Amino acid sequence: DAKTTQPPSMDCAEGRAANLPCNHSTISGNEYVYWYRQIHSQGPQYIIHGLKNNETNEMASLIITEDRKSSTLILPHATLRDTAVYYCIALANAGGTSYGKLTFGQGTILTVHP
Amino acid sequence: DSGVTQTPKHLITATGQRVTLRCSPRSGDLSVYWYQQSLDQGLQFLIQYYNGEERAKGNILERFSAQQFPDLHSELNLSSLELGDSALYFCASSVGLGYEQYFGPGTRLTVT
Repeated sequence: DAKTTQPPSMDCAEGRAANLPCNHSTISGNEYVYWYRQIHSQGPQYIIHGLKNNETNEMASLIITEDRKSSTLILPHATLRDTAVYYCIALANAGGTSYGKLTFGQGTILTVHP
Repeated sequence: DSGVTQTPKHLITATGQRVTLRCSPRSGDLSVYWYQQSLDQGLQFLIQYYNGEERAKGNILERFSAQQFPDLHSELNLSSLELGDSALYFCASSVGLGYEQYFGPGTRLTVT
């Protein structure tokens, strides 16, 4: 699976959009970009994933650049409960050889301030 | 609530002992994954099962073993425990291979 690079930490004011970047310059054509988050010592939580089109769900939006070398997770109206470690993971689809095992890096610690 | 359940929530045991951690996947999910999270190693993949068969192994010690039963629940067995095995152990499930994973609340293991 392709290596991803994220900033170690970011701050955001409550109510504002949080934009979390991720670089994945060696991503291959069959690798999706997945985002998970972990709120202090809880189980990681799936947020969103995408291949090449932008995606949106009730939690967030995912913007993937046209060359697929980077992406941005957007939390449109951050709340204090969004304070967590956010992980960007490149993962091949079910037809690949990775069998879905997630490789977590250090992630980005997002702190939402009042 | 992810729909994945893990028991027990907390476990305190002594070095050299053996423990079993249990995981029930979300209804309909065929794949189960185990991860270990320690302070110095972060979140690490241990092992994956799909419909009862082992499909992938990660950094799982030989003292650790797992299985997935016909009803799809899974157990992780940790033996000859050492202080360094103290960690959070998470189970996750997905509908199939390569799909998004839903994590349980974890079991916190403390080895004294």
